[in-house]
Amino acid sequence: DGGITQSPKYLFRKEGQNVTLSCEQNLNHDAMYWYRQDPGQGLRLIYYSQIVNDFQKGDIAEGYSVSREKKESFPLTVTSAQKNPTAFYLCASSARQGAGELFFGEGSRLTVL
Amino acid sequence: GENVEQHPSTLSVQEGDSAVIKCTYSDSASNYFPWYKQELGKRPQLIIDIRSNVGEKKDQRIAVTLNKTAKHFSLHITETQPEDSAVYFCAASKAGTASKLTFGTGTRLQVTL
Repeated sequence: DGGITQSPKYLFRKEGQNVTLSCEQNLNHDAMYWYRQDPGQGLRLIYYSQIVNDFQKGDIAEGYSVSREKKESFPLTVTSAQKNPTAFYLCASSARQGAGELFFGEGSRLTVL
Repeated sequence: GENVEQHPSTLSVQEGDSAVIKCTYSDSASNYFPWYKQELGKRPQLIIDIRSNVGEKKDQRIAVTLNKTAKHFSLHITETQPEDSAVYFCAASKAGTASKLTFGTGTRLQVTL
């Protein structure tokens, strides 16, 4: 069954701790993305990757880091430098560059205590 | 960069009535305009999209119109049903930008019986 898997679904973290969110896809898509969703603010792009070993900053990259060592995987690390990390994080992938449908994971909800 | 504004933020209609959600964009180079639906607790999913060489596109009860001169596009849902209740997001991007979509802030549609 093809799709995008995010884990964990819920995550709690203390202030000052880094946390890594997992995103795996078996759709053989080249491009992968991380979005942050906050109430009333839509989806904002954090990072995206068009190909293995390459990624670019999105609109709100500060305090986040990513890696793309494998085509199937695009983990997101929320660092202690992110000032307001509590949010819902969505990973997505698309088959090709340019305009194309995004396929989303089910999301990870991070709460900083 | 691109800026997408979406209105209204909430919309309540009676079952069977029509619903219209409007979006404006700022970058005249944008040429791809998708709409995503996010049901409560679920991932966003593409419901319809339109490219700049087309003024209108229909898919059963859903239609999208695009006015490139005015830089706005709209989602029209006819004969609304309770299962249409969800948050709808518009988005815009330019070809060749790896689906670097800019999303609107979302419209929560409630279809009442």
